[in-house]
Amino acid sequence: EVQLLESGGGLVQPGGSLRLSCAASGFSFSTYAMSWVRQAPGKGLEWVSDISDSGARTNYKESVKGRFTISRDNYKNTLYLQMNSLRAEDTAIYYCAKDRVAARTMNFHFDSWGQGTLVTVSS
Amino acid sequence: DIVMTQSPDSLAVSLGERATINCKSSQSLLWNSNNKNYLAWYQQKPGQPPKLLIYWASTRESGVPDRFSGSGSGTDFTLAISSLQAEDVAVYYCQQYYGAPPYTFGQGTKLEIK
Repeated sequence: EVQLLESGGGLVQPGGSLRLSCAASGFSFSTYAMSWVRQAPGKGLEWVSDISDSGARTNYKESVKGRFTISRDNYKNTLYLQMNSLRAEDTAIYYCAKDRVAARTMNFHFDSWGQGTLVTVSS
Repeated sequence: DIVMTQSPDSLAVSLGERATINCKSSQSLLWNSNNKNYLAWYQQKPGQPPKLLIYWASTRESGVPDRFSGSGSGTDFTLAISSLQAEDVAVYYCQQYYGAPPYTFGQGTKLEIK
């Protein structure tokens, strides 16, 4: 059974930093692209960033470019999101999500999601 | 970016009746080389992460009841629930995955029991 477990969320002041982690199990982590998708309180879903299976290719939503960095450790089966210069509008539940098909480089859609970790940016 | 617009924002349907949710994209999601539409549907129940229901616009994910069906091509798509069950109360989202990111979602449609 695929399991994705996010951690690292919390309350942070504007301009601060957080590092989210997503521990994966139940599938061959190193063969799937992974993404972070967020959901502001009471709002819809918003793709934030993705990373290829090897970690060589990354993509970001325009509003987080230069502030967020996605990475992965295929030995530890863990996905990360380093978030710097946080803004109030980054407040959301952050989900890690697995692409449905192995070894793809684009056209991602998500067949497994974690329960999410809440990031609150407020003074 | 491709803009996804769902309609209605909310709807109430009686148990056992048919529910339909529409999704329109700002550009075609049909890839001519393989004749596939790059459109997925998700269900999100309160307090839970989204669950994949449909991909390629009409292919049901494994384990999804056959009362859920997807249709449409190009820019106009529909999710239908043939006979609404109480457990289908949720917010439904469409997502386009045509080409490179950003992958964008519709704003969501809240489905309730009448």
